[in-house]
Amino acid sequence: QQPVQSPQAVILREGEDAVINCSSSKALYSVHWYRQKHGEAPVFLMILLKGGEQKGHEKISASFNEKKQQSSLYLTASQLSYSGTYFCGTEQDRNRDDKIIFGKGTRLHILP
Amino acid sequence: DARVTQTPRHKVTEMGQEVTMRCQPILGHNTVFWYRQTMMQGLELLAYFRNRAPLDDSGMPKDRFSAEMPDATLATLKIQPSEPRDSAVYFCASGPDRAEAFFGQGTRLTVV
Repeated sequence: QQPVQSPQAVILREGEDAVINCSSSKALYSVHWYRQKHGEAPVFLMILLKGGEQKGHEKISASFNEKKQQSSLYLTASQLSYSGTYFCGTEQDRNRDDKIIFGKGTRLHILP
Repeated sequence: DARVTQTPRHKVTEMGQEVTMRCQPILGHNTVFWYRQTMMQGLELLAYFRNRAPLDDSGMPKDRFSAEMPDATLATLKIQPSEPRDSAVYFCASGPDRAEAFFGQGTRLTVV
């Protein structure tokens, strides 16, 4: 079951904040966040586990609401380097079915 | 600097030809994924392996696609016969017990 990401695209000015959402209709074990720049491979940002805490590094953080099966990625005081497509990947069951299924992505463009 | 290596980086082939894509996962990683990326579908999971055993290939067209791991240092994805709709970027990713996935640079396949 592919997670749904919103919004599909965001345009911001440098220094502004952004929130990207990811939701699933299935119970989740974990949520992964990746960023992909044009022409490059996706790069891992962070993983949030069921029962775990909110994660973050520098000005990028994420939360996981297990009850709602939703995760949000927060980008604070965005920098030009944050531009790219952000994917969330979800893992439904750690033991039985632990493949990562990705959403269709959110394109983020930061203007100077 | 450990990385996932994919070959070839680019492949142009005629419809009906066999295509083989290769991936060298990061040493010590026990899970390997194959994803296909298109503008319309985003990142689609084709197959994944744990400890070289295929766990899920439900996302793969069985009549023409096959994925194998002949040894721990090599994963292959074959398409026979190839069709224009197979044109996409194919990513291999590996991970240490599913904590995160490290992506290779991808193989850009064009079938004419």
